[in-house]
Amino acid sequence: DAGITQSPRHKVTETGTPVTLRCHQTENHRYMYWYRQDPGHGLRLIHYSYGVKDTDKGEVSDGYSVSRSKTEDFLLTLESATSSQTSVYFCAISEQWTSGGNIQYFGAGTRLSVL
Amino acid sequence: DQQVKQNSPSLSVQEGRISILNCDYTNSMFDYFLWYKKYPAEGPTFLISISSIKDKNEDGRFTVFLNKSAKHLSLHIVPSQPGDSAVYFCAASARNTGNQFYFGTGTSLTVIP
Repeated sequence: DAGITQSPRHKVTETGTPVTLRCHQTENHRYMYWYRQDPGHGLRLIHYSYGVKDTDKGEVSDGYSVSRSKTEDFLLTLESATSSQTSVYFCAISEQWTSGGNIQYFGAGTRLSVL
Repeated sequence: DQQVKQNSPSLSVQEGRISILNCDYTNSMFDYFLWYKKYPAEGPTFLISISSIKDKNEDGRFTVFLNKSAKHLSLHIVPSQPGDSAVYFCAASARNTGNQFYFGTGTSLTVIP
């Protein structure tokens, strides 16, 4: 499982409240990612990180911020949650594969409901 | 705009038969392709990959075919087993965005015993 732990696994919150999801990895991977999965949309990239304090936006970054103060932790924050952010969130790391390409390994996911 | 497309949301196959899952892409810069399998309440797990220098890669019951001219790849599962029932995502990356992956919308495969 590439040593990826997401917390919490489930969360219910109210519109307008801040929410932080945590991704923790134990294998010193440089690249970390946050995706959301929604029916009909597959997996969409929110933000990714290529090192401590180095982050960049993905295709659906509006309403989300991230931080990476140490290699092992990548935090996703919803500053003011909205119902449209109800989703399943996955964290991933990237590792080079023997064929020369990169493989992403995923955590188990966080199911977030915004009421 | 979706750069990786899976046009079949679902597929049902009898146990023992072949399952064929399809994926199309639009970006000609993509040169590495992967398939992931996802069970409910779990994260996606890597299944098989293929580089653009190949047109076929095989791993046990799973074979991925790549047709670069058509910008199309497919995953063949032979023989299909009930445990293969899951959602399958294809993904693509390009050398110049080597650590960014683009995912399709997924195909839900049901293998009927």
